[in-house]
Amino acid sequence: NAGVTQTPKFQVLKTGQSMTLQCAQDMNHNSMYWYRQDPGMGLRLIYYSASEGTTDKGEVPNGYNVSRLNKREFSLRLESAAPSQTSVYFCASSTWTALGYNEQFFGPGTRLTVL
Amino acid sequence: AQSVTQLGSHVSVSEGALVLLRCNYSSSVPPYLFWYVQYPNQGLQLLLKYTSAATLVKGINGFEAEFKKSETSFHLTKPSAHMSDAAEYFCAVILSASKIIFGSGTRLSIRP
Repeated sequence: NAGVTQTPKFQVLKTGQSMTLQCAQDMNHNSMYWYRQDPGMGLRLIYYSASEGTTDKGEVPNGYNVSRLNKREFSLRLESAAPSQTSVYFCASSTWTALGYNEQFFGPGTRLTVL
Repeated sequence: AQSVTQLGSHVSVSEGALVLLRCNYSSSVPPYLFWYVQYPNQGLQLLLKYTSAATLVKGINGFEAEFKKSETSFHLTKPSAHMSDAAEYFCAVILSASKIIFGSGTRLSIRP
């Protein structure tokens, strides 16, 4: 199993450009997430999808859109990139365990720089 | 508001010394608590988790953490640091499927 995969690994954009970050998981998880990681701020949730066909805003959704294409894939789109969106983006997927908690598995990240 | 506080953004210890990374949480209900490790240029990897089964939790690579409800703490320890432990460590509180709060992270450096 590849687990959670993300493409691309690195990207440089100019202000105003758009792009889509791709994420796929092969663990048959229902839930998928997009986070951004900034120095000294931990991980902040951008959007999540509890199941195929549903998406919800997280803590910092402004400037982003998402698509849950199918159970495996969850993409994050920046319509008009801004320097404030320079960050490392992580996709994660999760499943509820029999003990009643949510264990997340993370992809390797996409390092995005907006000039 | 519920939160997670990690004391010390950077901790440096000598190889072979005790590692202690601090995490305090605020939660009105008994939480699920996780520690994640992030090696350079990689994603987060689960180190250990507290799910109310036992207060002392053992994880991978010799790490363990003790849940102390009276202190609202879940500190991470390792008796003897190894060079390979150099990484960033995140404490997280799992409140629901969509409500996961991460601490700001502690970068652990190991001195030879």
